[in-house]
Amino acid sequence: QVQLVQSGAEVKKPGASVKVSCKASGYTFTRYYMHWVRQAPGQGLEWMGRINPGGGFTSYAQKFQGRVTMTRDTSTSTVYMELSSLRSDDTAVYYCARPPYGSGSYYLDYWGLGTLVTVSS
Amino acid sequence: QSALTQPASVSGSPGQSITISCTGTSSDVGGYNYVSWYQQHPGKAPKLVITDVSNRPSGVSDRFSGSKSGNTASLTISGLQAEDEADYYCSSYTSSTLLVFGGGTKLTVL
Repeated sequence: QVQLVQSGAEVKKPGASVKVSCKASGYTFTRYYMHWVRQAPGQGLEWMGRINPGGGFTSYAQKFQGRVTMTRDTSTSTVYMELSSLRSDDTAVYYCARPPYGSGSYYLDYWGLGTLVTVSS
Repeated sequence: QSALTQPASVSGSPGQSITISCTGTSSDVGGYNYVSWYQQHPGKAPKLVITDVSNRPSGVSDRFSGSKSGNTASLTISGLQAEDEADYYCSSYTSSTLLVFGGGTKLTVL
């Protein structure tokens, strides 16, 4: 069965970077895109971007361009999301989520449990 | 890219039907049949309930249905049950940034 296991909670200071991991299992890792979505406390869902684990190609939401980097390690079936220059309003739960097969799939049917990132001085 | 517009809250009594709207533009909701809906209970990850405007994933109750007219998509839940109380989010493909979510709607079952 498909499983997405995310890394544990992080506490960071403003200006620092955070790198969240998402280890996939139960399917062929390189055949499915992986998306990242975040949710600030009490707020809605916000799409951050996606990565093609096969070729490493990425697409980022304009809001995060220049601050976010998504990478993958095919040897461990793990994708990473690194966010730099952290601010207090980056405090959120960060989810990895997988769509069905194909570049034209725009819904997310498998989600990780989320990783809480707290930015505080 | 602005978030899609959803009502902040809706409510209904058990057994009733409710509809949640999701309004976008011709660059997202109105231009493509790639609207999806997610249910999220407190402290949990979102769960997909509708794909591609009106398709129901396997295992999702047939009380959930989706539709679209112009730039507005809708999620209807019929035969409301206490377990339906949750936050609901729409999402759409968008030509500008690939994916955009709505602001979310809190459903209260009275």
